[in-house]
Amino acid sequence: EVVMTQSPATLSVSPGEGATLSCRASQSVNSDLAWYQQKPGQAPRLLIYGASTRATGIPARFSGSGSGTEFTLTISSLQSEDFATYYCQQYNNWPPLTFGGGTKVDIK
Amino acid sequence: QVQLQQWGAGLLKPSETLSLSCGVFGGSLSGNYWTWVRQSPGKGLEWIAEINHVGNTNYNPSLKSRVTISIDTAKNQFSLKLSSVTAADTAVYYCARSGSGGYYCDSWGQGTLVTVSS
Repeated sequence: EVVMTQSPATLSVSPGEGATLSCRASQSVNSDLAWYQQKPGQAPRLLIYGASTRATGIPARFSGSGSGTEFTLTISSLQSEDFATYYCQQYNNWPPLTFGGGTKVDIK
Repeated sequence: QVQLQQWGAGLLKPSETLSLSCGVFGGSLSGNYWTWVRQSPGKGLEWIAEINHVGNTNYNPSLKSRVTISIDTAKNQFSLKLSSVTAADTAVYYCARSGSGGYYCDSWGQGTLVTVSS
């Protein structure tokens, strides 16, 4: 099973500032990496797939990069609606598909 | 825009069988895989199983012995059964759509909290 590790667990950011979230895979997953955003009481929402392709309707301030075992989600200028928890998920080596433990982005 | 709406019992006793269903609205079951994911405070997001419209299935090995996923194309819905539940199965269960087998999920149901308690 591929273990996905996200860091940091919590990131405190002021509105308007940028944020960089990391995701590491225990073995190479090529570019088969997705990012999700989840707000309290809601289902996850797909942001990024293929490590760097934004899903439909996702603002350009969200960008993904990386391949192999190291991945990054960057939010260029945080808006109020961006404060949430973010998860990465690999879909290269399965079953099972596996998720990271999440990074909570909160208001500084 | 496909919408997924799920339903099922939210409170179970240990050893009972969890049963959830997910209706697919605004789209066909064909051409996609249909997935169950759960989320508990202790284990985060956990992929459970997936199925396509002809009944091809994939399971999480850690749950495979207790999980049955099925699909009803006539009703445009799919279902999850998890047998012999324990407190460790307490979680929010989500249904979701994947574009292919072993893929990311691009549409999600609203989630159902299932609590296992005696």
